[in-house]
Amino acid sequence: DVKVTQSSRYLVKRTGEKVFLECVQDMDHENMFWYRQDPGLGLRLIYFSYDVKMKEKGDIPEGYSVSREKKERFSLILESASTNQTSMYLCASRGLGPRSGNTIYFGEGSWLTVV
Amino acid sequence: QQQVKQSPQSLIVQKGGIPIINCAYENTAFDYFPWYQQFPGKGPALLIAIRPDVSEKKEGRFTISFNKSAKQFSLHIMDSQPGDSATYFCAARASGSRLTFGEGTQLTVNP
Repeated sequence: DVKVTQSSRYLVKRTGEKVFLECVQDMDHENMFWYRQDPGLGLRLIYFSYDVKMKEKGDIPEGYSVSREKKERFSLILESASTNQTSMYLCASRGLGPRSGNTIYFGEGSWLTVV
Repeated sequence: QQQVKQSPQSLIVQKGGIPIINCAYENTAFDYFPWYQQFPGKGPALLIAIRPDVSEKKEGRFTISFNKSAKQFSLHIMDSQPGDSATYFCAARASGSRLTFGEGTQLTVNP
């Protein structure tokens, strides 16, 4: 089974703090994603990465950055957390090629509260 | 236009009922339409998916109906059970691009 692990499930941070959300996948997937989930807004894509050291902005990248130094690890960084970044953050991965199909696999989410 | 519009936002049915969740899209380049199921405290997981060359796909109690001309697709859950209570997301993707998700539907199946 594909496993996408988000190391921090619940975090409380202060406004202005730098926040790191870490994600690791164990299936050698090329693509990795960070989504934000808010009630009534669905899943909104923040950033994604096609492969190591490659990244592309999603729909709501403002206030976020990402890092992908190794294939299995994709980090989301909030440079200066703000209260409007209180949300649930979901990491996901997807393999390429006919064996992997189109399936995106999600982690269990990281609940971030900024006070 | 990349939007996928999903309705209703929430839905309550009795056990055995057939909840129906609808999605509509504009981008005619979309060629892959998955549904994801999310239980509380968990990440979404792929439930069932369809491509536009078929009008219906069934997997167990879950059925996707697809209407290409209307640019709509829907999820039907036959003989719904309390264990089906979850949030359901539709999504769509054009080849080579990324998934666009609907807003989500919170389904409650009462015993």
